[in-house]
Amino acid sequence: AQTVTQSQPEMSVQEAETVTLSCTYDTSESDYYLFWYKQPPSRQMILVIRQEAYKQQNATENRFSVNFQKAAKSFSLKISDSQLGDAAMYFCAYNTYGGATNKLIFGTGTLLAVQP
Amino acid sequence: DVKVTQSSRYLVKRTGEKVFLECVQDMDHENMFWYRQDPGLGLRLIYFSYDVKMKEKGDIPEGYSVSREKKERFSLILESASTNQTSMYLCASSPQTGFRNQPQHFGDGTRLSIL
Repeated sequence: AQTVTQSQPEMSVQEAETVTLSCTYDTSESDYYLFWYKQPPSRQMILVIRQEAYKQQNATENRFSVNFQKAAKSFSLKISDSQLGDAAMYFCAYNTYGGATNKLIFGTGTLLAVQP
Repeated sequence: DVKVTQSSRYLVKRTGEKVFLECVQDMDHENMFWYRQDPGLGLRLIYFSYDVKMKEKGDIPEGYSVSREKKERFSLILESASTNQTSMYLCASSPQTGFRNQPQHFGDGTRLSIL
């Protein structure tokens, strides 16, 4: 069974600085998708970025980028030029096939604080 | 934009009560999911549904049941609420495209307290 591990329960970054959130996963599959979700204090989970395992190029969405190391099974999220609005809980997720449909396996989350 | 609406943001119930959490999505998605979120445990899948009247158990189904009579609505039922079911409950939906790149879209969550 696939597992997702986020080893940093909490992180802190200064406004305008760069921070990297770690995520590792375990799988025997060769083709899969990985996601980062953000859950701000208002609570709605929103998709930040996604990565296809067979793509060598790391995904980028504005200030958010990933460092995907397939052999190491590592999928870290880099936030550049951090803003106060980036303060949130961040979840890494692996998309697996649940028998009838796809389903997500989530890590335990990293709470990011942004200091002014 | 996809809209997933959960009927309550906060709910307080008593031990032994039958509790219904409702979720509605407006994008004609085939898949719907119920998670519970607890500090240090992340999101854990309770049940999911891939079609009307179809349901499958997730990782922690004990003490819960679900109902999906219409495509847009997915209900989570606590048959006899217990204090260890105090938690945040999140509903999500996604399309059934056969591709694994489709993200799930989440509601705002219901914070349920069982006294």
